Amino acid sequence: DVKVTQSSRYLVKRTGEKVFLECVQDMDHENMFWYRQDPGLGLRLIYFSYDVKMKEKGDIPEGYSVSREKKERFSLILESASTNQTSMYLCASSLWDRKLFFGSGTQLSVL
Amino acid sequence: AQRVTQPEKLLSVFKGAPVELKCNYSYSGSPELFWYVQYSRQRLQLLLRHISRESIKGFTADLNKGETSFHLKKPFAQEEDSAMYYCALILSNTDKLIFGTGTRLQVFP
Repeated sequence: DVKVTQSSRYLVKRTGEKVFLECVQDMDHENMFWYRQDPGLGLRLIYFSYDVKMKEKGDIPEGYSVSREKKERFSLILESASTNQTSMYLCASSLWDRKLFFGSGTQLSVL
Repeated sequence: AQRVTQPEKLLSVFKGAPVELKCNYSYSGSPELFWYVQYSRQRLQLLLRHISRESIKGFTADLNKGETSFHLKKPFAQEEDSAMYYCALILSNTDKLIFGTGTRLQVFP
């Protein structure tokens, strides 16, 4: 069965901290994505990656960076967390057929 | 600019009633559209995609290029259809998926 695993279900951090959100997929998918999900705003794409060490900005990349050193792992980094980055973060992966498989999400609270 | 619009935040119906969740898109290229669903405490998952022209759990969606719409329909709603539904658009020549803001469907017994 297809699996996308996000390392933390809930995370609480303080303003200014550096935050790492990890995502691992076991399906050998080329494409991986990070979205944030906010009520009334839907899902907004932060970054995506179509290959190891390759990345592209999504619609709201400001304040975020990503790392993809291995095919199965895609990390989202908040360089200096701010309260407006409190959100649900969803990782997803896909093959060429563009069917996205999502992780269960990380609810990040920045205090 | 590319955009997916879901005008209803909440749609409430009674069991057995027909359901139509609206989705309109704005895109100059050749659109590829999807519906994703998130049931309570579950992951977001693909419901259907227009190129498959399939019916999943009784839901269908037809791409209307003239009206730039991809509405999701079901003739008889069930309580287990209660969920958050997102319409999404893939930009051609990329794998970038753009989502609408979502519609919460509530089906009352």
